[in-house]
Amino acid sequence: AQSVSQHNHHVILSEAASLELGCNYSYGGTVNLFWYVQYPGQHLQLLLKYFSGDPLVKGIKGFEAEFIKSKFSFNLRKPSVQWSDTAEYFCAVTNSGGYQKVTFGTGTKLQVIP
Amino acid sequence: NAGVTQTPKFRVLKTGQSMTLLCAQDMNHEYMYWYRQDPGMGLRLIHYSVGEGTTAKGEVPDGYNVSRLKKQNFLLGLESAAPSQTSVYFCASSGKGGQNTEAFFGQGTRLTVV
Repeated sequence: AQSVSQHNHHVILSEAASLELGCNYSYGGTVNLFWYVQYPGQHLQLLLKYFSGDPLVKGIKGFEAEFIKSKFSFNLRKPSVQWSDTAEYFCAVTNSGGYQKVTFGTGTKLQVIP
Repeated sequence: NAGVTQTPKFRVLKTGQSMTLLCAQDMNHEYMYWYRQDPGMGLRLIHYSVGEGTTAKGEVPDGYNVSRLKKQNFLLGLESAAPSQTSVYFCASSGKGGQNTEAFFGQGTRLTVV
């Protein structure tokens, strides 16, 4: 069965600091990968996604993620965080064929201090 | 295009009462999911469905039942509510294969059991 690990549960950064959130998945086949963001009091929204092609994926609000197949990783990055990035971030995986449900990691809470 | 709609948005129940949460999606998605979200515990999958007429247990199914009589609807039932079921519940849906595997979330239902 596929699984997703997010090792950082709570990250605190100052504004303008760089961000990298780890995501590792366990699945032997071809995968689709996602990062979702949940702002306080809201539902999960898609931040970016990887289906195929360029392993460096750019999303909304200056976020990007890099798919490293050999490491089974899909880490999220942002060069300079803002206070408005305070949220919880979830990594997710499914197989490309679509015959498995989407599996989510446990989430990483990011707190950005002004 | 409404996406995923959950009703109700808020509910307070007394211990032992029953209720049904409704999730409706208009994207013709095969997969539908019910999650609960509690502080510090991320998203936990309660039940999911891979198609009309099918349901499967997730990580935390005890105390809940589900039904998917129509492809667009996924109902979550609490037969005898307990305070431990106080949580925020999210419904999601996703399609099968390729770029259809992105998951979309409803706005959430905040349930309090007293």
